[in-house]
Amino acid sequence: GAGVSQSPRYKVTKRGQDVALRCDPISGHVSLYWYRQALGQGPEFLTYFNYEAQQDKSGLPNDRFSAERPEGSISTLTIQRTEQRDSAMYRCASSLEGFKKLFFGSGTQLSVL
Amino acid sequence: AQSVTQLDSHVSVSEGTPVLLRCNYSSSYSPSLFWYVQHPNKGLQLLLKYTSAATLVKGINGFEAEFKKSETSFHLTKPSAHMSDAAEYFCVVSDHGGTSYGKLTFGQGTILTVHP
Repeated sequence: GAGVSQSPRYKVTKRGQDVALRCDPISGHVSLYWYRQALGQGPEFLTYFNYEAQQDKSGLPNDRFSAERPEGSISTLTIQRTEQRDSAMYRCASSLEGFKKLFFGSGTQLSVL
Repeated sequence: AQSVTQLDSHVSVSEGTPVLLRCNYSSSYSPSLFWYVQHPNKGLQLLLKYTSAATLVKGINGFEAEFKKSETSFHLTKPSAHMSDAAEYFCVVSDHGGTSYGKLTFGQGTILTVHP
């Protein structure tokens, strides 16, 4: 596609429910990143993939958070048993391999009630 | 460890006047530094980047930034503000020590307001 696509654009869920956020990177981009942006803050690194391999998950806050990219293209960030503190904008970015320019999607705004 | 401090959470200027958004960084290694802009309901867009070449970096839309190692600063400037510059700006550092990918550390952001 023309850019990084994220869905849904908005997600409202009840505390305790599981949510899955999807990222479709720019075609041909090898690297994919997930960031989380709380209100009034800058984005914070969550995890990174090169092709289908998760290279760094040091930013995932706890074991309720997981991510996968099984075919090296679309990625899913899953949050289990959501809590109110999980409410934030979740941003995906992709790039050509290595330390190249990151292209960010418009994000998924998650609200946990 | 790397960190970024944006010294102003809000900056307000009149159209046609200069813009200065201040940023200080901390890094254990030779850093790469970036400025990103975020318009409402849009993704983050790269304005410019410094990667140890020229210390004065020119970006899109007339913005530029100067890397000053002695001051650990990377302030963003523009000679004349335009209404379309109103947005949130993030100073970003990437520490290359042991990483060769886009693990970025963002500042807290500066909201730029431009008055007619």
